[in-house]
Amino acid sequence: DIQLTQSPSFLSASVGDRVTITCRASQGISSYLAWYQQKSGKAPKLLIYAASTLQSGVPSRFSGSGSGTEFTLTISSLQPEDFATYYCQHLTSYPPSSFGQGTKLEIK
Amino acid sequence: QLQLQESGPGLVKPSETLSLTCTVSGGSISSSNYYWGWIRQPPGEGLEWIGNIFYTGGTYYNPSLKSRVTISVDTFKNQFSLKLSSVTAADTAVYYCARLNIQLWFVNDYWGQGTLVTVSS
Repeated sequence: DIQLTQSPSFLSASVGDRVTITCRASQGISSYLAWYQQKSGKAPKLLIYAASTLQSGVPSRFSGSGSGTEFTLTISSLQPEDFATYYCQHLTSYPPSSFGQGTKLEIK
Repeated sequence: QLQLQESGPGLVKPSETLSLTCTVSGGSISSSNYYWGWIRQPPGEGLEWIGNIFYTGGTYYNPSLKSRVTISVDTFKNQFSLKLSSVTAADTAVYYCARLNIQLWFVNDYWGQGTLVTVSS
């Protein structure tokens, strides 16, 4: 099974900051990776798929990159509504589909 | 606009079977473009994929839960369901149903709001 490891697990930042979250896969997964944002008490929301494709309606300050085993999610200029927990997910039609353990982004 | 809604008991006793249903509205469950699945999240923890089902009934399960999980589909009611047997406190979680989009790199692009299921006597 493929394991996804996110870093950092917690991140403290200020409005306007540029932040980067990393997701490392235990094996190469090409570009089969997605990023989700989850706010407290809500379902996850799809931000990026295919490692770097922005989902429709997602602000352009979000971007993704990477392939193989190392991926990044970057927020170019943090907005107040971006403080949330972020998860990466291995995209696959074959089980299991794994998630990273999450990165909680907090206001400094 | 597609909507998914989970329903079922919020409290289940240990050793019993957890049963949830996801009702899909605003679109048909009988499409070859999608799987339908369940994902759970224990309080304060991360996301765990449980399994997926195709409208024809084909299923994929998380190997760690496979012996206890059954996912089924009712195309006439536009619903799919989850049964998890022999539950323990470790199965306490928010359970989400979600659509898996085959044409969009297998992402979960629509989610239900989630329902908290507590396992306790």
